[in-house]
This record gives sequence, structure tokens and C-alpha cells, in this order.
Amino acid sequence: DTGVSQNPRHKITKRGQNVTFRCDPISEHNRLYWYRQTLGQGPEFLTYFQNEAQLEKSRLLSDRFSAERPKGSFSTLEIQRTEQGDSAMYLCASSLEDGRAYEQYFGPGTRLTVT
Amino acid sequence: GQNIDQPTEMTATEGAIVQINCTYQTSGFNGLFWYQQHAGEAPTFLSYNVLDGLEEKGRFSSFLSRSKGYSYLLLKELQMKDSASYLCAVRAGGYQKVTFGTGTKLQVIP
Repeated sequence: DTGVSQNPRHKITKRGQNVTFRCDPISEHNRLYWYRQTLGQGPEFLTYFQNEAQLEKSRLLSDRFSAERPKGSFSTLEIQRTEQGDSAMYLCASSLEDGRAYEQYFGPGTRLTVT
Repeated sequence: GQNIDQPTEMTATEGAIVQINCTYQTSGFNGLFWYQQHAGEAPTFLSYNVLDGLEEKGRFSSFLSRSKGYSYLLLKELQMKDSASYLCAVRAGGYQKVTFGTGTKLQVIP
């Protein structure tokens, strides 16, 4: 399977703990996005990368959130000192920005529950 | 910033046609996506419009008017499996970021 993969698929953690999610994009894709989605809402932009460069980070994101894409391939999203409001589905998507096609391919998501 | 509006919910009958509208306000517009998302699943790509006009793809068509900041998704010959959320997303700005609307939940009834 050469689609976008995310790990873990589910994460339950206690408030105050740190969590890290991983996203492996489609191999030739140079753009990688992170979104957060809660029930009944569309994906909310968190941050995105062009290769290894983080181009933009949502102002909604507090300093507890950090993302990396060290070699321009996989990416990690870390949430420190989790809060119950962080409970959501975290989606990763990748795309190939080559001037012809910009379709984003989404991974299955990581569902985070903070108790 | 960007502002994307679409109806929250719609209901349509199996076999009928439904039009889902999306309006947007943004600077540096580059294109508009439509995605389908079934409950509990990730969004899947339906269409991408850059130029004004109608693009048809099977039972689904998407229209764009850049001057009006308006798009619609047209679904023909509705099937029960079309019950899903339909997300409008705009690509814009210097870094051409993609921003999603809140989605329209479509319910297809017999």
C-alpha cells in the first residue's frame, strides 16, 4: 500500500501527558499537512511543510504543539501537557505540488482521547 | 484570513439531484477543492477547480465563479451511499495553503 499512513490509529492518554503522532506521506509528495478535526466540523488547519521547511503554523496552535519533518519525508506531531480539549482526530495529508496537480491524499487519522 | 461558508446540512431523495453551495472570501485565490467524507473516515478527493466554469466527472460536477467567490457541487442520480459530508476547501495565499470549510452533511433518503 503506497497511501498515507498514520500511527498510532488510536491514542488514549491522561491529561498532562505528552503524545507524539507519526505520519508517513506518499513517497514522492513534497507537501505535508496536519489537520485537527472534531465531530461535525471540517478539518482545521494546524501546520504544513514543503519538503522539510515548515511554511506556516496556525495561530490557533498553542506552544504545546510542535511538528517536525526532519528529512522531508515522514513527519511527527507532538502535543505536550495534553488537555481534554485536545481530544480530536488528527489527520495528515500529503500532496505533490508540481504545478499540475494539488490533490491532497489523507491518511486514516489518529484519534486522540484525553481523559 | 479566509472565510468559507457552506450549509450545515441537506437532505435529498434517492435518484434526485442536489446542489451544495460554497462561498468564500480570500486573497490570493488559486483554486477550490471538493472532498467527500463518510462518517469515521478520512476525506477523499472529488474535484479541483481553478478556472471559471463547470467540470463534470461522472455523477458529480463542480462549478466555480472566481469573480463571485462561489462554487457548487452537483450530485446527480443520488444513491444512498452518497450520504456523507461534503467539504469545500480553498487554496490561496503566498504559500498556497489549503483551508477547509466546516462541511455540508448530506443525507440521502429513500
